[in-house]
Amino acid sequence: QVQLQESGPGLVKPSETLSLTCTVSGGSISSYYWSWIRQPAGKGLEWIGRIYTSGSTNYNPSLKSRVTMSVDTSKNQFSLKLSSVTAADTAVYYCARAKAMGFDYWGQGTLVTVSS
Amino acid sequence: QSALTQPPSASGSPGQSVTISCTGTSSDVGGYNYVSWYQQHPGKAPKLMIYEVSKRPSGVPDRFSGSKSGNTASLTVSGLQAEDEADYYCSSYAGSTYVFGTGTKVTVL
Repeated sequence: QVQLQESGPGLVKPSETLSLTCTVSGGSISSYYWSWIRQPAGKGLEWIGRIYTSGSTNYNPSLKSRVTMSVDTSKNQFSLKLSSVTAADTAVYYCARAKAMGFDYWGQGTLVTVSS
Repeated sequence: QSALTQPPSASGSPGQSVTISCTGTSSDVGGYNYVSWYQQHPGKAPKLMIYEVSKRPSGVPDRFSGSKSGNTASLTVSGLQAEDEADYYCSSYAGSTYVFGTGTKVTVL
């Protein structure tokens, strides 16, 4: 059974860079797309982007200028960096396995708060 | 890339059916048979309930069904049970990107 676990700081200062890592266990990270999705408190889901294990990426156009994703197949991990954060980036961040048909495995989510 | 439109709320009594709509455009819902639906209970991660418009992952009850017509997809929950009370989100592949719906809170009366 594939499991995903997000990790990273829960508090980030405004204008700084949010950094999260997702560790995949129970299966190989290879040959799949992997996504980051976020959800502000009380609001809906927002797709941030996806990365293939080759390193190829696609990002949400609304966040593209601030997002960088990377993958480390040797550690079965992929990562998210979101720069120049503001309070509007405060949310629960989920990592998930992405297929064209949908997101079939999700992490439990990690709350990131942007505050000084 | 705008969010897909869902009704904010839907409700039904136990045993009844409820249908949730998800309206997009020809660039997402109408352009691909890659609409998926997610159930999210409070404080939990979303769970895939329907993929490729109408297919159910293993373990999802057959009370959940999906369909699509043009730019609008629908999720129907038949024989409502108390545990079906949750938020539901649709999502569509949009050609190397994805878009989610605005979400619908389903209440079991």
